[in-house]
Amino acid sequence: DAKTTQPTSMDCAEGRAANLPCNHSTISGNEYVYWYRQIHSQGPQYIIHGLKNNETNEMASLIITEDRKSSTLILPHATLRDTAVYYCIVRANTDKLIFGTGTRLQVFP
Amino acid sequence: NAGVTQTPKFRVLKTGQSMTLLCAQDMNHEYMYWYRQDPGMGLRLIHYSVGEGTTAKGEVPDGYNVSRLKKQNFLLGLESAAPSQTSVYFCASTYSGRAREGEQFFGPGTRLTVL
Repeated sequence: DAKTTQPTSMDCAEGRAANLPCNHSTISGNEYVYWYRQIHSQGPQYIIHGLKNNETNEMASLIITEDRKSSTLILPHATLRDTAVYYCIVRANTDKLIFGTGTRLQVFP
Repeated sequence: NAGVTQTPKFRVLKTGQSMTLLCAQDMNHEYMYWYRQDPGMGLRLIHYSVGEGTTAKGEVPDGYNVSRLKKQNFLLGLESAAPSQTSVYFCASTYSGRAREGEQFFGPGTRLTVL
């Protein structure tokens, strides 16, 4: 699986958009970009995934660059409850997710 | 639906003791996984199963065994616990192994301490 690079930590003001970047320069054509988050010490929670088109759901938007070498997860109106570690993962049609150390997002009042 | 549940939530073992962690899911998922998470680290895959009666090794399988006798249950066993196995253990399940539809659902975790 391709490796991803994420900033170690980020801050965001409550009510503002949180934009979390992820670099995956060695991604191959059949690999999807997945985002999960882990709030405190709970089990990870699925957020969104995509292949090459931008995706949006009730939680977030995923913007993937045209060359697919990077992506951005957007939380449009961050709340204190969005404080968590966010993991960007790329995977092909295998069974396994490979978790890195993610980005610790701190939302402040 | 309860989703993915794990038993027990906490456990303290002495070195050399054995135990079994139980994961159950009520979503009729084919795939199930066991991960461990050490402090400040991401999750690492221990073992996984692609269907009832099947198991396979992940990244860090040594010291663990698994069984999937029923589709809804995935058991993780420690035959002789070691302090290096102190960790938080997460179970997950998913309907499909295909990347385009492979959202994994995670349990709440089991916190294991080996003294």
